[in-house]
Amino acid sequence: GNSVTQMEGPVTLSEEAFLTINCTYTATGYPSLFWYVQYPGEGLQLLLKATKADDKGSNKGFEATYRKETTSFHLEKGSVQVSDSAVYFCALSDPLSRGSARQLTFGSGTQLTVLP
Amino acid sequence: GAVVSQHPSWVICKSGTSVKIECRSLDFQATTMFWYRQFPKQSLMLMATSNEGSKATYEQGVEKDKFLINHASLTLSTLTVTSAHPEDSSFYICSASSGPNTEAFFGQGTRLTVV
Repeated sequence: GNSVTQMEGPVTLSEEAFLTINCTYTATGYPSLFWYVQYPGEGLQLLLKATKADDKGSNKGFEATYRKETTSFHLEKGSVQVSDSAVYFCALSDPLSRGSARQLTFGSGTQLTVLP
Repeated sequence: GAVVSQHPSWVICKSGTSVKIECRSLDFQATTMFWYRQFPKQSLMLMATSNEGSKATYEQGVEKDKFLINHASLTLSTLTVTSAHPEDSSFYICSASSGPNTEAFFGQGTRLTVV
């Protein structure tokens, strides 16, 4: 079946540090890939996505590139801020669900804390 | 993006009682809604998928008689936790989609505590 493996946290960084959160996946076919962010006490918000190989998703300074050869979608940000502290989830959409609403498979989440 | 509202955001109930959680799409018609459960410091586990006007499809291991899902309109789905027990305490999140191959938008979640 489909699966998403995420770098275990928690991750603690100083403000303006470089961030990488690793994500690899297993799926049959060609899934779409997503990063979601969850702030304390809130639901999930879509951060960025990529729908095909070599696509780069980007938003709010975060980037991730869909690498089919390594089945990876690592999240990066060049300079993190305190406000980036949250839990980050990597996810994929079921390629078998084409023609129906997307069903997402999530990674375990990575807690990021950015210190001033 | 589209807005999905979940209510209540938190609820405390006694063991043996039932609790209803609502998920509403505010500015679009949601033909499909998903219900997830999230344990502390863990990922989201899909519980069930509901399509408007039809019965929900439950994931393996999810008790359909305990977690009743109703999706009676294109803007509202409800999850009722029946005869709640402390082990049902969790964070429940819904998401809604307007059609095939479209993005699903998430509600803000409901923290359920059963005492």
